Amino acid sequence: QQQVKQSPQSLIVQKGGISIINCAYENTAFDYFPWYQQFPGKGPALLIAIRPDVSEKKEGRFTISFNKSAKQFSLHIMDSQPGDSATYFCAASPNQAGTALIFGKGTTLSVSS
Amino acid sequence: DADVTQTPRNRITKTGKRIMLECSQTKGHDRMYWYRQDPGLGLRLIYYSFDVKDINKGEISDGYSVSRQAQAKFSLSLESAIPNQTALYFCATSALDRNTGELFFGEGSRLTVL
Repeated sequence: QQQVKQSPQSLIVQKGGISIINCAYENTAFDYFPWYQQFPGKGPALLIAIRPDVSEKKEGRFTISFNKSAKQFSLHIMDSQPGDSATYFCAASPNQAGTALIFGKGTTLSVSS
Repeated sequence: DADVTQTPRNRITKTGKRIMLECSQTKGHDRMYWYRQDPGLGLRLIYYSFDVKDINKGEISDGYSVSRQAQAKFSLSLESAIPNQTALYFCATSALDRNTGELFFGEGSRLTVL
């Protein structure tokens, strides 16, 4: 059972455009929702994260929108740049001891110049 | 030097061979993880350890075993490698505070099983 569903699998955006990646979850026990960014040949690294007590979090050009009732959250990249080309993973963490992050399948973003 | 170091970075082996992937960290974190990455399948959790005496199975532990030799060292073993274990393997660490959630990844170990 896939607990975190991510779409699209791949995305091509022109430079300056908005990139949007969506994730949905089913387990209402999830209480922490990070996004990770991975460049080729590197391990993933935390990009931005949100908790369900807020509906939006913005850090520079990156924004997470969170819809608790719909059990969905999304990453928006404003003014997308070629340097943003990477694989993005959404993830979720259950609100219970002894558990670990569960990742979506990833989205490969290509920003064309 | 990297905070999370994986060795080897690349390995080609044959079916049936025993393989060990090693991970060491200098971040002082108690929690360590092994993930597997396959194209289109994302990152899947194999095993995780919250301290030296704690080992937990993840989503896809069959065919794998782990050893937490010290706080800073966590090894992943394939007792008898098979071709569908060909993948990119990542070790990660996190601090004790479970609500932080931030994982720090190594650069990966690419394993090819022929």
